[in-house]
Amino acid sequence: DTEVTQTPKHLVMGMTNKKSLKCEQHMGHRAMYWYKQKAKKPPELMFVYSYEKLSINESVPSRFSPECPNSSLLNLHLHALQPEDSALYLCASSHPQGKLFFGSGTQLSVL
Amino acid sequence: DAKTTQPPSMDCAEGRAANLPCNHSTISGNEYVYWYRQIHSQGPQYIIHGLKNNETNEMASLIITEDRKSSTLILPHATLRDTAVYYCIVRVATAAGNKLTFGGGTRVLVKP
Repeated sequence: DTEVTQTPKHLVMGMTNKKSLKCEQHMGHRAMYWYKQKAKKPPELMFVYSYEKLSINESVPSRFSPECPNSSLLNLHLHALQPEDSALYLCASSHPQGKLFFGSGTQLSVL
Repeated sequence: DAKTTQPPSMDCAEGRAANLPCNHSTISGNEYVYWYRQIHSQGPQYIIHGLKNNETNEMASLIITEDRKSSTLILPHATLRDTAVYYCIVRVATAAGNKLTFGGGTRVLVKP
């Protein structure tokens, strides 16, 4: 199994809503990542978890709250988002120094 | 972090080799060069990576110059399904984890 599974594939939310993005992998990877990608732009790193601990936060606003409940799961909790937060959110996983495997992403629209 | 520079776009004829250049003149000695591609609305897909030596796998070949300041990704026989954005990335391995910082990429259009 070399897949990173992201749910949902599409999400529409209002600025007052609370929602969560989910990511799952069963490759035994101990590093997991969240990236944000705006249309026609490259992916931008948001967070890195290493051995279930947050190790890198690229100065992401607090309305984005990551969580790593166990070594296979990664969540991104969303609250009070702005329309400019609309983007493709990508999850990835890797062995600590290995290549990243990406999921297909969640396309988020904030109204 | 080492930055990469790639041409913004490139056309390639189907069946011909596609040579994608990348400049990474500030790369450090222990930093790897990675190549990913992204087909529209999908997650980036790993292609190949290398440190010093040239590398080849079933998808592509990677040629790294001796001074490591630039590299070329070679798709030996481009097909229409190779149309994608190709990213050259210098991987920074820190104690906190991998940092893959994507540059602008090259938008490759394979034409019949």
